[in-house]
Amino acid sequence: DAGVTQSPTHLIKTRGQQVTLRCSPKSGHDTVSWYQQALGQGPQFIFQYYEEEERQRGNFPDRFSGHQFPNYSSELNVNALLLGDSALYLCASSFLGARNEQFFGPGTRLTVL
Amino acid sequence: EDKVVQSPLSLVVHEGDTVTLNCSYEVTNFRSLLWYKQEKKAPTFLFMLTSSGIEKKSGRLSSILDKKELFSILNITATQTGDSAVYLCATISNFGNEKLTFGTGTRLTIIP
Repeated sequence: DAGVTQSPTHLIKTRGQQVTLRCSPKSGHDTVSWYQQALGQGPQFIFQYYEEEERQRGNFPDRFSGHQFPNYSSELNVNALLLGDSALYLCASSFLGARNEQFFGPGTRLTVL
Repeated sequence: EDKVVQSPLSLVVHEGDTVTLNCSYEVTNFRSLLWYKQEKKAPTFLFMLTSSGIEKKSGRLSSILDKKELFSILNITATQTGDSAVYLCATISNFGNEKLTFGTGTRLTIIP
């Protein structure tokens, strides 16, 4: 049983560019959450998707947007990249009705130059 | 706004020592507290605590929650070099739609 997978592993972009990160949830999970983890910090909640809708959003600007597909996989898009967007982006999946732990993917390391 | 504070920020001990990591929280309508271990990238789940006073154990790791004083501790006994990692504490609120609020983590280094 594959766990949560994310792609790509690493990404280097320049300021002003746009980026798309991808996540496939653990089998049987229907909810995907995205987190940003800056160096030396804990993960910060970006947003969560369930049934292809954004259920909740953290304190991130509109440059951060997302999507969930019918197969529950998800994308995170960031427009007009800033140096401060450099971070590890983590995807976590869960089953909404179970109220149990979220499983994290290995993350995408984004570097903005 | 929900808040999770971990201490110490970093800790260096010798193999075989026992360590205690602390996590305090201020959460509106608290539901659960979770501990994760992060070695390189993906945080891996350790414990979920919902009720006060119930100690969770997994081998050399144990954790307890105090809902009156709003804190949790994670104990690791007979530490090994493989325990070196960042330990993250996170909370879930009943209003949070499963959103995790994390602390900054404690970086634990075990010296052989």
